[in-house]
Order: sequence, then C-alpha cells, then structure tokens
Amino acid sequence: AQTVTQSQPEMSVQEAETVTLSCTYDTSESDYYLFWYKQPPSRQMILVIRQEAYKQQNATENRFSVNFQKAAKSFSLKISDSQLGDAAMYFCAYRRGMEYGNKLVFGAGTILRVKS
Amino acid sequence: GAVVSQHPSWVICKSGTSVKIECRSLDFQATTMFWYRQFPKQSLMLMATSNEGSKATYEQGVEKDKFLINHASLTLSTLTVTSAHPEDSSFYICSAGLAGHRGSGELFFGEGSRLTVL
Repeated sequence: AQTVTQSQPEMSVQEAETVTLSCTYDTSESDYYLFWYKQPPSRQMILVIRQEAYKQQNATENRFSVNFQKAAKSFSLKISDSQLGDAAMYFCAYRRGMEYGNKLVFGAGTILRVKS
Repeated sequence: GAVVSQHPSWVICKSGTSVKIECRSLDFQATTMFWYRQFPKQSLMLMATSNEGSKATYEQGVEKDKFLINHASLTLSTLTVTSAHPEDSSFYICSAGLAGHRGSGELFFGEGSRLTVL
C-alpha cells in the first residue's frame, strides 16, 4: 500500500520569507499524482498544487512551487514571500494512476504558522 | 473549480440517535464520492468510497452498519451515523472528482460537517 510521510508536524516562517514543507512517499508504481492541499482554520480543503509523476518539470503556481524528486520519492512544497493568509495545515497527498480512480492517501499534515 | 456542498455544517445530537450528513456536487456529476473523518489537528482518514448505484466500499476497520452510505444519484451521497455515541464526535468531510475526467486527478471537497454527540 502507498504511504505518505510528512516529518514536520509544525513549521514557522516570517512574513515575506520562504519556507519549505517536506513530503516523502512510498510506492512501487510509476504512474501517479501528487498534491498539496491547504486546510485553513475554516477547515475547507483547498488544492494548492498538483504534480503528475510522468512530468519531469516541477509544478509552479504563483508563490507555490514543488521540488519533485521521483527517484528519491520526495515532493516538497516551497512557499515564497509568505503571507499571513498562508497560515494553515498543509497536507501532502498521493493518488494512483488514472485507472484506479480518485482515491487520495494523505500525509499526517504540517501546521504552518506565519509570523508578522 | 467544481463545487461540493455538505449539510449540515454542524450538528449536535444525543447519544443513541442517528444523524444524516449530505454531500452534493452542485455543478457536476460524480459517480464516486469519498467520505473522510478528521480528528483535531490530524489527517484525513478515508472511511469509504461511495459509488453511485451500488454499495459503498469501506476501508478496513470502518463499521459499515455504523456508518451507512447511500449514493442514489450522480450528485448526492449521504452518510448516516447510526446510534451515535460520543466517540463518533468528529469532523466528517466528503469529496468528489469529475466523472469522465479522472485523469485530472483533482478532488473537490465539501466544507465539512462537525458532529458532536452528547
């Protein structure tokens, strides 16, 4: 079974600074998808960024980018120019290839605190 | 993006009663919906996969007679917590993906429902 590990229970960053959240996963498959979701205090899950395993180029969404290391099974999230609104719990998630449906496996989460 | 709505957002009930939570995909059809349970400051734990027109698939350790799931239409799945007890108090979240667009991989999440059993 696939597993997702987030080794940082909590992280802090100063406003306008950069922070990196770690995620590793375990799988024997070659076709899969990786995600970072944000869960603010409202508890609404929000998709931050998505990476297809077959793509070598790291995904980028404005201030959010990933460092996808397929051989190392690592998928870290970098948040640049951190803002107070970035404070939330962040979940790394794994999804198997297209033919297996949309079931997600989540990591334990990392609480991100942003200091002003 | 697509919208998934849950109702109620918060429910308080007495021990022994049953509670129904609805999950609706508002602007798309979902042949599959997922139900998660989340304790404070913890991750989302998948409870079951709700399949339109057929029985739900439950994860190991989840009591199917305790957590009844019905997916009668392409836009509605319901989770009924039967004979609720205080240990069932939790945050329940549903999610759905676009039917026919499984390759995009994205799941859309409801706002969640907080259940408190007294």
